[in-house]
Amino acid sequence: GENVEQHPSTLSVQEGDSAVIKCTYSDSASNYFPWYKQELGKGPQLIIDIRSNVGEKKDQRIAVTLNKTAKHFSLHITETQPEDSAVYFCAASYSGGYQKVTFGTGTKLQVIP
Amino acid sequence: KAGVTQTPRYLIKTRGQQVTLSCSPISGHRSVSWYQQTPGQGLQFLFEYFSETQRNKGNFPGRFSGRQFSNSRSEMNVSTLELGDSALYLCASSLAGTKSETQYFGPGTRLLVL
Repeated sequence: GENVEQHPSTLSVQEGDSAVIKCTYSDSASNYFPWYKQELGKGPQLIIDIRSNVGEKKDQRIAVTLNKTAKHFSLHITETQPEDSAVYFCAASYSGGYQKVTFGTGTKLQVIP
Repeated sequence: KAGVTQTPRYLIKTRGQQVTLSCSPISGHRSVSWYQQTPGQGLQFLFEYFSETQRNKGNFPGRFSGRQFSNSRSEMNVSTLELGDSALYLCASSLAGTKSETQYFGPGTRLLVL
C-alpha cells in the first residue's frame, strides 16, 4: 500500500516569513495529492490540492509543488500570519481502487507574532 | 450548504462497552469515509461506504464496523472497547468517492475509553 512521509513534524516561523513542508510518497501510481489544515477542535479542511499532470499550483499565499520522478511534493506558505498556526497534513490517493487516502503524520506549524 | 456533521462530539466509555458514532454527509454526497486520529498513529483509514455498501476497508480489527443508510448517513460501531480505542474519529464525505475527489471532513467525535 501507499506510504506517505512528512517533514518536519514541528515548524516555528516568525510572522511574515515563509514555511515549507515536505512529503514523499511510495506508490508511483498515486495521482492526487491534497493538503489539509487542522485547527484545534476541528476536522481537517482542504486548503489546496494538486494532480499528477501538474507540477505546481498556487492559491494566494499558498503553493504546492510536485516532483513525480522523485515522488515528493511540498507545501509553501508565504507571508505567514498567526492564523496560519495549525497542523498541516499531506496526503496521497491510493491507486488501488476507490477513495482510500493515505495521510502523512502531520506538521505542527507555529507562527510567532 | 451545511457541512459534514458528527454526533456526539464527545463520548466517555469504559473498557468492554460498545459505542456507535454517527455521521451525516454533505447533502448530495454519497461516499462516506471514516478515519481514526491518534497522536501516535496520525490519521488512519477505517472504511468507506457508498450506496450502503462498504467498498474499502483499512487494517482494523473486526470490532470496528460500520454501515450506511439509504440517505447516505453513516454510523460506525466499536464493540468491546479497549483503552487504545481512545481517539478522534473523523468522517469525511465526497460526491462519489473516486480516488481523486475532494473529501470534506466533519469536526470529529472524541472518544475516551477509561
